[in-house]
Amino acid sequence: GQQVMQIPQYQHVQEGEDFTTYCNSSTTLSNIQWYKQRPGGHPVFLIQLVKSGEVKKQKRLTFQFGEAKKNSSLHITATQTTDVGTYFCAGYIQDTGRRALTFGSGTRLQVQP
Amino acid sequence: ETGVTQTPRHLVMGMTNKKSLKCEQHLGHNAMYWYKQSAKKPLELMFVYSLEERVENNSVPSRFSPECPNSSHLFLHLHTLQPEDSALYLCASSQTTPGLATYEQYFGPGTRLTVT
Repeated sequence: GQQVMQIPQYQHVQEGEDFTTYCNSSTTLSNIQWYKQRPGGHPVFLIQLVKSGEVKKQKRLTFQFGEAKKNSSLHITATQTTDVGTYFCAGYIQDTGRRALTFGSGTRLQVQP
Repeated sequence: ETGVTQTPRHLVMGMTNKKSLKCEQHLGHNAMYWYKQSAKKPLELMFVYSLEERVENNSVPSRFSPECPNSSHLFLHLHTLQPEDSALYLCASSQTTPGLATYEQYFGPGTRLTVT
């Protein structure tokens, strides 16, 4: 079936180190969204990318959408303890008429002070 | 912060009980969703309602029964659940278009369900 995979599943970094999570789809996505879920919380929308090759930045966070619209990445520069949480990518599978996001499996980030 | 509320926040129920989860959104959205989140499968989509019509049902057991009486309210009726149904149940809402929905989803805080 159609899936959206994320790697790594888990990453532990020292505060100040960079972090990247990758999202890969077996089929073309209409768009890609990223969400963050803090421990004990609920997913919160971060950003949406729509165009092929699009790059967006939010302070220390950089989001990219691949040229083929099948993959995406989230890069955090100089992590802080406030970055702790699970990061999910989610996309609408193109040409299926499916009216719901397909979520990736998530990457759990732990930041050591 | 969130315009989506869920009650109760925590629920413990026996396998023979019947209970309902409630979700309400105050954002004027026209689509609502139920997700199940557990350690084994982070975010499983259960049901999608768009304009009060159920448009997606992802092979969810019949012991889960959704109801969407209007665009602001969503219920999940539970009966004869199993211990493996213990999880965080998240409600979400979004704005959708007649074609493919492309807008972000707003999640509620979730109901932590424990089935004993």
